[in-house]
Amino acid sequence: GENVEQHPSTLSVQEGDSAVIKCTYSDSASNYFPWYKQELGKRPQLIIDIRSNVGEKKDQRIAVTLNKTAKHFSLHITETQPEDSAVYFCAARGVGTNAGKSTFGDGTTLTVKP
Amino acid sequence: IAGITQAPTSQILAAGRRMTLRCTQDMRHNAMYWYRQDLGLGLRLIHYSNTAGTTGKGEVPDGYSVSRANTDDFPLTLASAVPSQTSVYFCASRPGLSSGANVLTFGAGSRLTVL
Repeated sequence: GENVEQHPSTLSVQEGDSAVIKCTYSDSASNYFPWYKQELGKRPQLIIDIRSNVGEKKDQRIAVTLNKTAKHFSLHITETQPEDSAVYFCAARGVGTNAGKSTFGDGTTLTVKP
Repeated sequence: IAGITQAPTSQILAAGRRMTLRCTQDMRHNAMYWYRQDLGLGLRLIHYSNTAGTTGKGEVPDGYSVSRANTDDFPLTLASAVPSQTSVYFCASRPGLSSGANVLTFGAGSRLTVL
């Protein structure tokens, strides 16, 4: 099955700096890569996603890049703010017998210091 | 408000007891999922259902069972709870399996403690 590795497990940045979280996946057939933000005690919520036919996608301060050849994708947050502090999860969704099943990374705890 | 409702929010359970976590959605989503979340381990898929009447096993199915009698409900049952099943359980759904139905919607979670 699919295996997703996420790094780093913790990340601390100063307010205004950029944050980058990286994920690698094992199944070259995976075609959908979402990122979720989970605040303390809350449910995960989608913040951005990318499909395998796209190399980069941006939404205001958030961007995701995908390198299909290397099987890795990254989340970039610019001009970080204290409210960006949360746990971020990447995921990869399979195809075929794995269609619909998302495999998640172990999460990155981002702390933005004021 | 459309979404996913999970119950109970929190439960403490004695080992060996049977427990059912309820999940109901009103979005008419075809696909539903149960994940468990443990500290440092992210979200792991327990069971899933691509459509009413079908279910499948995820990464960590042992000790759990599910049913999908209709579109809206997807209960998760622990037949005989063990302490290693202490976790936060999230139910999720998405409209279907087509490439245009990607986004997972999560419930608020059920925190289960097995003593």
